Amino acid sequence: EADIYQTPRYLVIGTGKKITLECSQTMGHDKMYWYQQDPGMELHLIHYSYGVNSTEKGDLSSESTVSRIRTEHFPLTLESARPSHTSQYLCASSEWSPDRDGYTFGSGTRLTVV
Amino acid sequence: GEDVEQSLFLSVREGDSSVINCTYTDSSSTYLYWYKQEPGAGLQLLTYIFSNMDMKQDQRLTVLLNKKDKHLSLRIADTQTGDSAIYFCAESSGLNYGQNFVFGPGTRLSVLP
Repeated sequence: EADIYQTPRYLVIGTGKKITLECSQTMGHDKMYWYQQDPGMELHLIHYSYGVNSTEKGDLSSESTVSRIRTEHFPLTLESARPSHTSQYLCASSEWSPDRDGYTFGSGTRLTVV
Repeated sequence: GEDVEQSLFLSVREGDSSVINCTYTDSSSTYLYWYKQEPGAGLQLLTYIFSNMDMKQDQRLTVLLNKKDKHLSLRIADTQTGDSAIYFCAESSGLNYGQNFVFGPGTRLSVLP
């Protein structure tokens, strides 16, 4: 049973549109993450958060923005979608300290910008 | 920064054993993980090993850790077609609480009938 939810699962949208990818978790985790995964498989960290009102940029530069107003919610927004944003976006969460549970991932949102 | 390396592809025949290898650079790693990603899905935690362990077995999965060489492996016994997926190695360090995990690039395992 998934404890972290991403919506939508699939999205096809036109260039220039504003979109928000939703991510919610019910585990009370402090840390949340957004990864971009291209067909080459590798995960690229684009944003993360230590907790409410905390947002940090990840290793890969991204034109997206995030917010963390509530512990359980970490939405990602693209103000003006472009074909180069076409990718799979994975949300994850974790406890503050590393432990045996690791990261819990959502099922992902596959975004196609036409 | 810290780095995790994996070979990108592995093909095995159904019923054989698969061994997926991973090397990492962070000598302060506390937990090391193996994740599985099936097509169109997120990552699922398969197993983990704490850094003071050499081996961990869980049904068909065996994890070996060589801390001296910073080498981690995942052995899948009696590999089935359902094991076809991408496998990610990841490590975390306990020295810097709050530090993010480092993931490898993933190994695509193909199981041939």
